[in-house]
Amino acid sequence: DIVMTQGALPNPVPSGESASITCRSSKSLVYKDGKTYLNWFLQRPGQSPQLLTYWTSTRASGVSERFSGSGSGTYFTLKISRVRAEDAGVYYCQQVREYPFTFGSGTKLEIK
Amino acid sequence: QVQLKESGPGLVQPSQTLSLTCTVSGFSLTSYNVHWVRQPTGKGLEWMGVIWTGGSTDYNSALKSRLSISRDTSKSQVFLKMNSLQTEDIATYYCARDLAYWGQGVMVTVSS
Repeated sequence: DIVMTQGALPNPVPSGESASITCRSSKSLVYKDGKTYLNWFLQRPGQSPQLLTYWTSTRASGVSERFSGSGSGTYFTLKISRVRAEDAGVYYCQQVREYPFTFGSGTKLEIK
Repeated sequence: QVQLKESGPGLVQPSQTLSLTCTVSGFSLTSYNVHWVRQPTGKGLEWMGVIWTGGSTDYNSALKSRLSISRDTSKSQVFLKMNSLQTEDIATYYCARDLAYWGQGVMVTVSS
């Protein structure tokens, strides 16, 4: 199975600042079609996960431009610009390159 | 609008079978894929499996021997069945359309 390893954040992050979360995969997530199959989710307390980005950097419908995904191969980053209270929660990366579709262990974001 | 709702017994006895239903609205199961994801309380996300638009399925190999996903397109329902339940299966179970739209989740406890 592909192992997804997420970095931690220096919590709490002051409101208005930027925060970057890293995610590393044990195998390249590039598929033969050229796309890189990496998703980012946010799970707010008590809520279901919300898809933020897919194919590494494509924002899901309705997601703020403050969220931007980047990366390639095995190293990925989710940047959250001008963090707000509503951004608090746990962020997960997930690879959908091959079965089973594995998640990282999550990165908690707290806002000050 | 797109909605998914999980339902099923909140309590299952050890070694028994879990049966969950995901009832969807706002889309057709022949046009979108439905995944099952679970989350033990206070822990991370685990992808369980998917039923594709054509009706074929793929499973997490760690669960494959115990897990079955099926559907009734006429009723807009997707079913999850997992046998030989143990305490390690205590979790909130989610269904999700293409991982972009999620149900609220249903909590399952395993206890005699």
